[in-house]
Amino acid sequence: GQQLNQSPQSMFIQEGEDVSMNCTSSSIFNTWLWYKQDPGEGPVLLIALYKAGELTSNGRLTAQFGITRKDSFLNISASIPSDVGIYFCAGHGGGTYKYIFGTGTRLKVLA
Amino acid sequence: DAEITQSPRHKITETGRQVTLACHQTWNHNNMFWYRQDLGHGLRLIHYSYGVQDTNKGEVSDGYSVSRSNTEDLPLTLESAASSQTSVYFCASSPGTGNTGELFFGEGSRLTVL
Repeated sequence: GQQLNQSPQSMFIQEGEDVSMNCTSSSIFNTWLWYKQDPGEGPVLLIALYKAGELTSNGRLTAQFGITRKDSFLNISASIPSDVGIYFCAGHGGGTYKYIFGTGTRLKVLA
Repeated sequence: DAEITQSPRHKITETGRQVTLACHQTWNHNNMFWYRQDLGHGLRLIHYSYGVQDTNKGEVSDGYSVSRSNTEDLPLTLESAASSQTSVYFCASSPGTGNTGELFFGEGSRLTVL
């Protein structure tokens, strides 16, 4: 099935560093969602974005809905070991069932 | 707190057996979904429902069925389990009203078909 391009695919960072990842699409979305998934668990919704240009924060996480509506960005500030996991985005066109998911970014934090 | 729960969390079965995975949400959401997650494929949609008595096929629906007799539950049935259906299955729900496209997932059911 269709997947959104997400980068980077994986990253190792030092504790305390900031992290950036992004998601791009060839389609326009009305909603962008960002999730974190830990091993053996279900994806947990971190941030939801509804308007082009919107910038939304959740603690140390900040996400932006791209102006073109074809991309979104997630930043994690001052990373800590529990930030380890897989982060993925999802786009939703609105009025339909279809969510398109990103390929995921695997984050590893070195203490 | 409202939530979405799946059971069983782990299941081992044999080829040819019928298996049912349960999904129950207490948010009163209209929309419910079943996905499977496999390495290299990400999340793929199996079936979805917009409300009671409504069910629709997703992109990988062959060999699976669902029923929606109430708002809270969307059980997924594998009529005759096959080894290719070994996977992690996630149920999800969304409000389906207004402009919100928020999608909430359960904790997953890991199914092994031997």
